[in-house]
Amino acid sequence: DVKVTQSSRYLVKRTGEKVFLECVQDMDHENMFWYRQDPGLGLRLIYFSYDVKMKEKGDIPEGYSVSREKKERFSLILESASTNQTSMYLCATPGQGGEQFFGPGTRLTVL
Amino acid sequence: GENVEQHPSTLSVQEGDSAVIKCTYSDSASNYFPWYKQELGKGPQLIIDIRSNVGEKKDQRIAVTLNKTAKHFSLHITETQPEDSAVYFCAASHGGSNSGYALNFGKGTSLLVTP
Repeated sequence: DVKVTQSSRYLVKRTGEKVFLECVQDMDHENMFWYRQDPGLGLRLIYFSYDVKMKEKGDIPEGYSVSREKKERFSLILESASTNQTSMYLCATPGQGGEQFFGPGTRLTVL
Repeated sequence: GENVEQHPSTLSVQEGDSAVIKCTYSDSASNYFPWYKQELGKGPQLIIDIRSNVGEKKDQRIAVTLNKTAKHFSLHITETQPEDSAVYFCAASHGGSNSGYALNFGKGTSLLVTP
């Protein structure tokens, strides 16, 4: 089974802080994704990466950046956290058939 | 881009009854339609998916139907049980290499199965 892990389940940060969310997958997959999930809005794609050092903007990239230095690790960075970035963040990687495997999520609260 | 609409947003059924969740999509190039179940405190988990070359797929109590002409697909859960209570998401993608299999999700349906 594909395993996707995220560094924190819960995180509380202050406005203006720099925040790193880490995601690791153990299947040597090329593609990795970051989504945010908000009530009533479903899952929205922030950024994705299809190879080391490659990244593409998703639907809502503003306020975020990403880093993919190693194939197994994809980091989401909030350069200066704001209260509207309080959300559930989900990392995912697709299998051979396109089905996505999700990590458990990081619930981030920005005060 | 792709727009996926999902209805209803909440659904309450009695144990043993059937539940149906419907989704529509806008991009006729979409060819892959998964359904995810998300339980409280967990990430979404794939429960069933369908590709555009088939009209229906079944896995025990769960089935998915696809109407490509009308651009809609549905999830059917029969003989519902309390453990089916969760949030369900539909999604669509055309799986092209430059999209990296990115999925476009519906907004979710909160299903409650009461004993």
